Amino acid sequence: GAGVSQSPRYKVAKRGQDVALRCDPISGHVSLFWYQQALGQGPEFLTYFQNEAQLDKSGLPSDRFFAERPEGSVSTLKIQRTQQEDSAVYLCASSLRGQGREQYFGPGTRLTVT
Amino acid sequence: QKEVEQNSGPLSVPEGAIASLNCTYSDRVSQSFFWYRQYSGKSPELIMSIYSNGDKEDGRFTAQLNKASQYVSLLIRDSQPSDSATYLCAVNAGGTSYGKLTFGQGTILTVHP
Repeated sequence: GAGVSQSPRYKVAKRGQDVALRCDPISGHVSLFWYQQALGQGPEFLTYFQNEAQLDKSGLPSDRFFAERPEGSVSTLKIQRTQQEDSAVYLCASSLRGQGREQYFGPGTRLTVT
Repeated sequence: QKEVEQNSGPLSVPEGAIASLNCTYSDRVSQSFFWYRQYSGKSPELIMSIYSNGDKEDGRFTAQLNKASQYVSLLIRDSQPSDSATYLCAVNAGGTSYGKLTFGQGTILTVHP
């Protein structure tokens, strides 16, 4: 079946621009996670949704980062007034139930802020 | 101290050998443990999950978990050049962590012909 999809795959933004990154999870997966991966590092947790509820946003690095999942399916991660330190790969993962079960990752969006 | 630690490598093994990848974690209440494989420029791919002490085998892969020692490992038997990748250990603490994963920095594995 179809896996997790993300768009765009690559995004170049000028410093100060706003960007929106989209994630389409595996159909029927209740839980959705966003992670940020810097070069040479493991992914780091940003935020978690169970259906449409954002239950944990403790990993969002600043108030410039905002995520939503209004209908409990597609999610959007928005970064306002991008900074160079926001350059990273943004990964979305979904899980059938969450709560410590397997998570499946999308291909990621590589964001470069110039 | 990092929450999840892996030897960054690189670990180099000859084709056909056993590759052994190790991971330690600091949170004693951790409940779920995962190994992901990540090829250069690609996203992490789940290869093993383990939830209880002992060994779990899947094809050429064996995951081993020892909660008392806070240690999880991945063995790859009959290593192939196509196994060359970064292997990420991921841990979930359970409870109110809502399933979020904490990753190690990854071990780079190179399998040479």
